[in-house]
Formats: sequence, structure tokens, C-alpha cells
Amino acid sequence: KQEVTQIPAALSVPEGENLVLNCSFTDSAIYNLQWFRQDPGKGLTSLLLIQSSQREQTSGRLNASLDKSSGRSTLYIAASQPGDSATYLCAVSGNNRLAFGKGNQVVVIP
Amino acid sequence: DAGITQSPRYKITETGRQVTLMCHQTWSHSYMFWYRQDLGHGLRLIYYSAAADITDKGEVPDGYVVSRSKTENFPLTLESATRSQTSVYFCASSEPGRADEQFFGPGTRLTVL
Repeated sequence: KQEVTQIPAALSVPEGENLVLNCSFTDSAIYNLQWFRQDPGKGLTSLLLIQSSQREQTSGRLNASLDKSSGRSTLYIAASQPGDSATYLCAVSGNNRLAFGKGNQVVVIP
Repeated sequence: DAGITQSPRYKITETGRQVTLMCHQTWSHSYMFWYRQDLGHGLRLIYYSAAADITDKGEVPDGYVVSRSKTENFPLTLESATRSQTSVYFCASSEPGRADEQFFGPGTRLTVL
């Protein structure tokens, strides 16, 4: 059974600092990995999807890396803003389903 | 409305009552999923469906029933609600062969008293 772990569970950073969120998974036989954002009381919004053959994916201030062999992914958010405050979820796909981590709850302090 | 919708958005019920949560998508996606999200557990898959009349259990199916008579609808029923089923429930859908790229509904917050 795929286990997905996200560390740290919660963090606060001052505005302008770079954010680094970590995700690890136990089974490296994944199809791809996604990072989602969830605002309080809302659904999930897909931020980045990295195919298993890729090493990283970038969108604006967001960059996600994937190291399948070590079972790790990192989400970098450059120059954080208060609007980046949210919960970030990592999910790995395989066997026609997604396995989610518990999330990184981020607060960016103005 | 285009996309994926869930109803109701909020529901309070009592232990032992039957509750049905609705999910509707307008994309004609083949795959549909039900998750529950709880503090300390993250999102866990309850049931999923690969097509109309095809459903399968996920990680936490006990106490839930699903059906899929039409491609666009995937209702989730709690036959006899328990307090442990208090949670936020998310529905998602995806294209055939793309169960990894799921689109999520806004969620239903269910409280069982």
C-alpha cells in the first residue's frame, strides 16, 4: 500500500521568504505526482503535475521536483506572499487512483 | 453549470439516519471518485467508479454505498450514519486512463450528531 508523508505538517514564514515543502512516498512505481492547493473550506486545485519520467515542473513562482528512486518530491514557492497561505497536498498516482499525503499547512506572515 | 458539483454543501443529520450526498459532472468523464477528508488522516478514497454500473471499493468503504446508473452522477449513501462519518466529503472525476488527473468538487461538510 502506497504511503505518502508530508513534512512539516505546518509552518509559518515571513513574507518574501522561499517556501520548501517536502513529500515522500514508499512505492516508487508511480505514474505521476501532483501538488494541490486547498484553501480553508474549499476544494482542491491542482498546481503542478510531474510525470514519472520528468524531474521537475515549473509554473510561475512554483517549482516541483521529483526523485522517483528515493521516493521524494519537493515543492518550492519563491518569494512567498500572504496569498500563498493555504494547505498544500501531495498526491501520487498508480493503479487508477491517487494516494494523498496529509498536507503542509502554510501561513505566510505579512 | 459546467464542471463538477456536489450537493448539499452542508448537512447535519443524526446517528442512524440515511444520508445521500450527490455528485454531478458535466464533462462525461468515465472515472468518478469519493473521498473523505479528516484531520490527521488527509484524503482517503471511499469508492470509485470506472464507468456507469462499475464501482469498486477504496480504502475506507465500510458504512457507505454507491451507485452509478448514469455517467454524470455518482451518489454516495450513508445507510445508517454514525458520528465517525462526520467529515468533509469530496467527489472527483477524470478522463478514461487518466485517473491520475482528477478534478475535484467543492466538497460537502457532513456532521452526524
